[in-house]
Amino acid sequence: NAGVTQTPKFQVLKTGQSMTLQCAQDMNHNSMYWYRQDPGMGLRLIYYSASEGTTDKGEVPNGYNVSRLNKREFSLRLESAAPSQTSVYFCASSESRGKGNQPQHFGDGTRLSIL
Amino acid sequence: AQKITQTQPGMFVQEKEAVTLDCTYDTSDQSYGLFWYKQPSSGEMIFLIYQGSYDEQNATEGRYSLNFQKARKSANLVISASQLGDSAMYFCAMREGQGGNFNKFYFGSGTKLNVKP
Repeated sequence: NAGVTQTPKFQVLKTGQSMTLQCAQDMNHNSMYWYRQDPGMGLRLIYYSASEGTTDKGEVPNGYNVSRLNKREFSLRLESAAPSQTSVYFCASSESRGKGNQPQHFGDGTRLSIL
Repeated sequence: AQKITQTQPGMFVQEKEAVTLDCTYDTSDQSYGLFWYKQPSSGEMIFLIYQGSYDEQNATEGRYSLNFQKARKSANLVISASQLGDSAMYFCAMREGQGGNFNKFYFGSGTKLNVKP
């Protein structure tokens, strides 16, 4: 019963470094999402993938790239990290077809600090 | 315009009392879903309750119920008999979709609920 697994859980980077956040789900969901959550705020969508092979920009895509590697995996890459990208990052997945009554299932988050 | 609006940044409630967390939404779609999530201080996102736009009855899940007023575009969460463990951040969310594909999710800014003993 792993659900949505994110790695790493914590990371500290220096400005300008790059890194990839990994996400995998084992629920056979079509859609996957990356969000960021800044202190005291709600979730803002960075990118999403409606299905394998497709990705779309969300509300705050600048500075990020994504790859939907297969149906299970959806990675988020920071090419040149900036202090403004310090945040908690959540990956989520959901079944997107049918009645629309399926909630998103979230990973535990990655706490990323950029110095 | 904001898709989801939660106007209460923080609320206090006495243990064992009921509390209502407000949520209004904005959509022109006929088919959509409304969700509430709980985020405790440990950080995980926990799904609480769902209401579909075509559902005639208000959704209930244990101590949680959703007061759905479609004409007013509101989907308030009611927590009955509050417990100390209910202290958390609560997010209202909406998913829109057409043609059987429901890909877009929108979240509100959240309400921080504190339950007093």
